[in-house]
Amino acid sequence: EVQLEQSGAEVKKPGESLKISCKGSGYNFTSYWIGWVRQMPGKGLEWMGIIYPGDSDSRYSPSFQGQVTISADKSISTAYLQWSSLKASDSAMYYCARLPLYCSRGSCFLKGVDYWGQGTLVTVSS
Amino acid sequence: QSALTQPASVSGSPGQSITISCTGTSSDVGGYNYVSWYQQHPGTAPKVMIYDVSNRPSGVSNRFSGSKSGNTASLTISGLQAEDEADYYCSSYTSSRTLVVFGGGTKVTVL
Repeated sequence: EVQLEQSGAEVKKPGESLKISCKGSGYNFTSYWIGWVRQMPGKGLEWMGIIYPGDSDSRYSPSFQGQVTISADKSISTAYLQWSSLKASDSAMYYCARLPLYCSRGSCFLKGVDYWGQGTLVTVSS
Repeated sequence: QSALTQPASVSGSPGQSITISCTGTSSDVGGYNYVSWYQQHPGTAPKVMIYDVSNRPSGVSNRFSGSKSGNTASLTISGLQAEDEADYYCSSYTSSRTLVVFGGGTKVTVL
């Protein structure tokens, strides 16, 4: 059974650093992309970026480039989302998601999310 | 501003059909058949309802269907039920470096 298990809720102060995790199981972790999605209170889903654990190729949405770091450790089937200096506006629910890669005739395409993690609530408050 | 455009809200009465649109460009929705739709009830993680434009995962009601015309994809919910009241989001593969784009979401209200 495919599962994405996210780390628990976090309460942090502005300026602190944070790294949350997403552990994949039940499939070959290095063969699928992992994406991160932000959902601020009462708002919609925002695509933050993705990583391919097989070679750590990472891509960021323009709004999140330079604001967060996405990484992965394939030896423990875990992807990470990291902040170096949190702001109150980073308070949100964060979801990780698995995306299959489809390759045909020399071209590869990313399919939509097929599995979601349960979410990690991050609260940043002084 | 989201890369894919969805209406903020759509409503319908029980038993009716509603359609949610998701408009992109030839670099995403119009260029590839990798549009997905997700349902999210308050306080829960999103759920995949449609993938590859029109395919339903196992367990998803056949009242949900997807289609695409040009740069616009659509999700149709037929026989609207109270449990369908939720937020719906679309996503698509994009040829840009980000590889994936999302819509801003549509709130479905069952009257």
